[in-house]
Amino acid sequence: DIQMTQSPSSLSASVGDRVTITCRASQSISVELNWYQQKSGKPPKLLIYVGSALQDGVPSRFSGSGSGTEFTLTISGLQLEDFATYYCQQSYSHPRTFGQGTKVEIK
Amino acid sequence: EVQLVESGGTLVQPGGSLRLSCEVSGFIYRQYWMSWVRQAPGKGLEWVANINEDGSEKNYVDSVRGRFTISRDNAKNSLFLQMNSLRADDTAVYFCAREDYWTARGFYYYFMDVWGKGTTVTVSS
Repeated sequence: DIQMTQSPSSLSASVGDRVTITCRASQSISVELNWYQQKSGKPPKLLIYVGSALQDGVPSRFSGSGSGTEFTLTISGLQLEDFATYYCQQSYSHPRTFGQGTKVEIK
Repeated sequence: EVQLVESGGTLVQPGGSLRLSCEVSGFIYRQYWMSWVRQAPGKGLEWVANINEDGSEKNYVDSVRGRFTISRDNAKNSLFLQMNSLRADDTAVYFCAREDYWTARGFYYYFMDVWGKGTTVTVSS
């Protein structure tokens, strides 16, 4: 199984900050990497697919990059509504696997 | 409006069985792979199983293989998860999700773009 490791596990940031979350795969997954946002008590929401494609309706302050084993999610100009937990997920092979999550909290 | 609605979650004793359902609307169901994803209390997301468009291909995470069975009824726009031999560590919110894809140069890249709100399964005596 492909292991997905996110860093950091949590971070504190202020409104307007630039935030970067890293996701590493235990083997190459090409660009088959998706990012989700989850708020407390809600289902996950797709933000980025295929490494860098922005899902319809997602603000352009969210961006994704990377290929192979290392990927990043960047939020340029953090907004109040962005405080949430973020997960990466690989779709390169079965079983699909998620990272452990990165909780973005208000500083 | 695209919608997924899970049901069937409840309190069940260890060793018991449960069948979850997911009713979909607003899209052509038979054209999509579908997944089940779960989230234990206070924990992260864990993919459980998926099924292809006509039900001929199924995949499972190791921890449920042999105990859980995913199935679908395309005539009724429904997805199911039959859960047997339930254990305490199966306690979670179970989400169903649609798998859409992007294609380039003959490759298919999958992602879960629509999710239900989840149904809660508690395994406890």
